[in-house]
Amino acid sequence: QQQVKQSPQSLIVQKGGISIINCAYENTAFDYFPWYQQFPGKGPALLIAIRPDVSEKKEGRFTISFNKSAKQFSLHIMDSQPGDSATYFCAARQGDYKLSFGAGTTVTVRA
Amino acid sequence: KAGVTQTPRYLIKTRGQQVTLSCSPISGHRSVSWYQQTPGQGLQFLFEYFSETQRNKGNFPGRFSGRQFSNSRSEMNVSTLELGDSALYLCASSFTYREQFFGPGTRLTVL
Repeated sequence: QQQVKQSPQSLIVQKGGISIINCAYENTAFDYFPWYQQFPGKGPALLIAIRPDVSEKKEGRFTISFNKSAKQFSLHIMDSQPGDSATYFCAARQGDYKLSFGAGTTVTVRA
Repeated sequence: KAGVTQTPRYLIKTRGQQVTLSCSPISGHRSVSWYQQTPGQGLQFLFEYFSETQRNKGNFPGRFSGRQFSNSRSEMNVSTLELGDSALYLCASSFTYREQFFGPGTRLTVL
């Protein structure tokens, strides 16, 4: 079964708007939560990652919010641009064990 | 630094055949992981190799196998191909067990 649940499946946002993608997990042993961005025909690229002892991490227009008690984390894309149109995956990992990925969210930014 | 390279990029096989995919990690990376990506199942972990030893394994049948060489290059093999094996096969390398860098993938089509 999917260890990381991701929503929504897809979203459309206007240029300049905010895109929000949510993920939830059950395994409290997860200690590393990355987000990947994937363009068609390419492999996923690491975008930003967070550890559970941090509640928020920001890199440029991308912010991860982490709620340990709720076992949820989210990606916010501020000032969304057409070049941000891609599929985004959240993931989680326990120690050196495998990465468990969410199902992905296709983001479309309308100019 | 050159990124992760995968060969071939595209492959067409028929049912019952076998296939070998190759992955060259980023120089200095000793861990190589393989993933299968399909529209229906998303990104699923196949296995991970570290210093020529399989360290983790996903829930795939024994038809899927892999190996890693002393120079950290890795190959994965799928025997007795089935239609459902059609997918994008992704290789990811890492220096630490956290940050994984993905290659562009090999698109396998089974007819």
